[in-house]
Amino acid sequence: ILNVEQSPQSLHVQEGDSTNFTCSFPSSNFYALHWYRWETAKSPEALFVMTLNGDEKKKGRISATLNTKEGYSYLYIKGSQPEDSATYLCAFQSYNTDKLIFGTGTRLQVFP
Amino acid sequence: KAGVTQTPRYLIKTRGQQVTLSCSPISGHRSVSWYQQTPGQGLQFLFEYFSETQRNKGNFPGRFSGRQFSNSRSEMNVSTLELGDSALYLCASSPGPKKTVGSPLHFGNGTRLTVT
Repeated sequence: ILNVEQSPQSLHVQEGDSTNFTCSFPSSNFYALHWYRWETAKSPEALFVMTLNGDEKKKGRISATLNTKEGYSYLYIKGSQPEDSATYLCAFQSYNTDKLIFGTGTRLQVFP
Repeated sequence: KAGVTQTPRYLIKTRGQQVTLSCSPISGHRSVSWYQQTPGQGLQFLFEYFSETQRNKGNFPGRFSGRQFSNSRSEMNVSTLELGDSALYLCASSPGPKKTVGSPLHFGNGTRLTVT
């Protein structure tokens, strides 16, 4: 059984704080690691798809790193804003099956 | 470009009934995946269809089934509903097999199913 774990489960930060979350995934049969942002009452929205060990991706104030050998990815948010409040999901995609295995997410709340 | 459309948005059924959910992918997308989300659980993979063929299946009982039509629209059926089937069902589309494209999923807004 493939396990994808995210930590912390939830996070409360003040506006302007920088924060980061972790996604742990199997280090074998790696194909891709996805990050999604899921705001309340909306559908999950893709942030990044990362495929290479050492990959770093950035989108505005959000960035992500990938270590496929040890099986983890970090998502960073610099200078959090209230509009960053959402659940952040990561998903592991194995080379064998293609299907995405999602973690349970990190719920971020940013207070003004 | 229209996004992924799921219908209906909300559904209330009683135990023992069956239900059919519908998903229209983004135009040009040929792969459709279905996920179940229940409180405290991550998105649980149900199945994936590409070109009317099921490519992958998750660990759900046979009461859960799906199909895909030639226009890439997909339906999911749950028979003999149980209370535990109450969940948000999300559909996602992508252009094609992930091994060659490696693109992200595009999700619909989901169908909220309540079984009483």
